[in-house]
Amino acid sequence: EPEVTQTPSHQVTQMGQEVILRCVPISNHLYFYWYRQILGQKVEFLVSFYNNEISEKSEIFDDQFSVERPDGSNFTLKIRSTKLEDSAMYFCASSDAGNEIHGYTFGSGTRLTVV
Amino acid sequence: KNEVEQSPQNLTAQEGEFITINCSYSVGISALHWLQQHPGGGIVSLFMLSSGKKKHGRLIATINIQEKHSSLHITASHPRDSAVYICAVLNEKLTFGTGTRLTIIP
Repeated sequence: EPEVTQTPSHQVTQMGQEVILRCVPISNHLYFYWYRQILGQKVEFLVSFYNNEISEKSEIFDDQFSVERPDGSNFTLKIRSTKLEDSAMYFCASSDAGNEIHGYTFGSGTRLTVV
Repeated sequence: KNEVEQSPQNLTAQEGEFITINCSYSVGISALHWLQQHPGGGIVSLFMLSSGKKKHGRLIATINIQEKHSSLHITASHPRDSAVYICAVLNEKLTFGTGTRLTIIP
C-alpha cells in the first residue's frame, strides 16, 4: 500500500536553529499538507499546498515557516529560527483531490524537540 | 470555525466489549475522517465517510449529516485496539477533535 514517508523520525535542535522536515508524499497525489501536534494537544492544521503554491495556511504558519516542493517527490517544511514552543510532532499528509471526497494519507510524523 | 467534540475523552473496557466513540461538529462538512493514533504517535486513517455507514473488519463508522454527529464502533474489542481515536472533519481544511484514549484490558 502506498505510504507517505517522513524523515527524520526524531529531530533535536537548539533554539534559534533552522530545521527542515522532509516528506515524500504518495506519487500520484496532488495536494500536500503539514499538521502539528503539541504533546497532549490536538492535531492542528498548518498549511496546504497545491500546484506549487500554498493554497491555505493557518495563523500558526507565520513568517518563520515555509514549505517547498524542491523536486517531483519531496515536500519540505522549514522552520527558520526555532522556538521552544515549536516542539511538537509534525505530520505530513497527501491526498489526490483536495477538498473532494477522497482520503488523506498521513506520514508517521517527525518528533521535533527544541532545546 | 468548526468545533469538533469527541466523547468520551477516555475509555477503558474489558476485552470483548462493544465500544462506541462519538463525534459532534458544529458546521457543515464535506467528509469526516476517523483516525487512529498509536503510542508512537503515527496517524492511520481508518475511515472517511460523508453519509451512511462504513464497515472494515471489526470497525464500523456511521454519520448523520443532519444531526452533525458520527460514531465509531469496535466490536469484540481487543487489547491491540488500544490507541487514541481521532475524529477530523473536512470543510475547507481538516479540523481535528481532541481524541478519545481507548484502553482495552485483557
